[in-house]
Amino acid sequence: GAGVSQSPSNKVTEKGKDVELRCDPISGHTALYWYRQSLGQGLEFLIYFQGNSAPDKSGLPSDRFSAERTGGSVSTLTIQRTQQEDSAVYLCAGRLPGPDTQYFGPGTRLTVL
Amino acid sequence: KNEVEQSPQNLTAQEGEFITINCSYSVGISALHWLQQHPGGGIVSLFMLSSGKKKHGRLIATINIQEKHSSLHITASHPRDSAVYICAAGTTGTASKLTFGTGTRLQVTL
Repeated sequence: GAGVSQSPSNKVTEKGKDVELRCDPISGHTALYWYRQSLGQGLEFLIYFQGNSAPDKSGLPSDRFSAERTGGSVSTLTIQRTQQEDSAVYLCAGRLPGPDTQYFGPGTRLTVL
Repeated sequence: KNEVEQSPQNLTAQEGEFITINCSYSVGISALHWLQQHPGGGIVSLFMLSSGKKKHGRLIATINIQEKHSSLHITASHPRDSAVYICAAGTTGTASKLTFGTGTRLQVTL
């Protein structure tokens, strides 16, 4: 079946603008994660959703970052007043109940000019 | 000190060689993940293990819980194995939130 999808695949924006990144997980993915991979850096955790529980936001780098997951399915990551250091690939991953295996989307490459 | 460390950072091998990538972690884990990232960025989960050894095709992953160490082995390497291999620790009590190593860039040449 179809994998986790993300949109847009690429986003170029000007410093100070807001951006929204979207993740469509596979049906049945009760858990959803957002990660960031900056140029030359490793992956870092941003936020985690599990069912109806309050999300784990411990990885969000600043209050300019927020995310929501509507109806236990689609998730959007919003970055307000973007800065150049926000330039990175933003990855979403879903997980089925039980096994820990995470299924990654292709990512959104964000460039802040 | 990073909580998850990998070695080597870069690795070049000739086709057919046996390859080992190492991962050490300093946190308590629920599971240790090995991921593969090809040029272009797509990430695929290769293994998730909490004990012992797993094998899939030419790939083998092992973990030693006491020593907090895991290895990924590739037998009979092939140029299509060229990718970045990432070790990630699913830390206990964090609902499978992953802490990542910095990755090992593998290049397999003919």
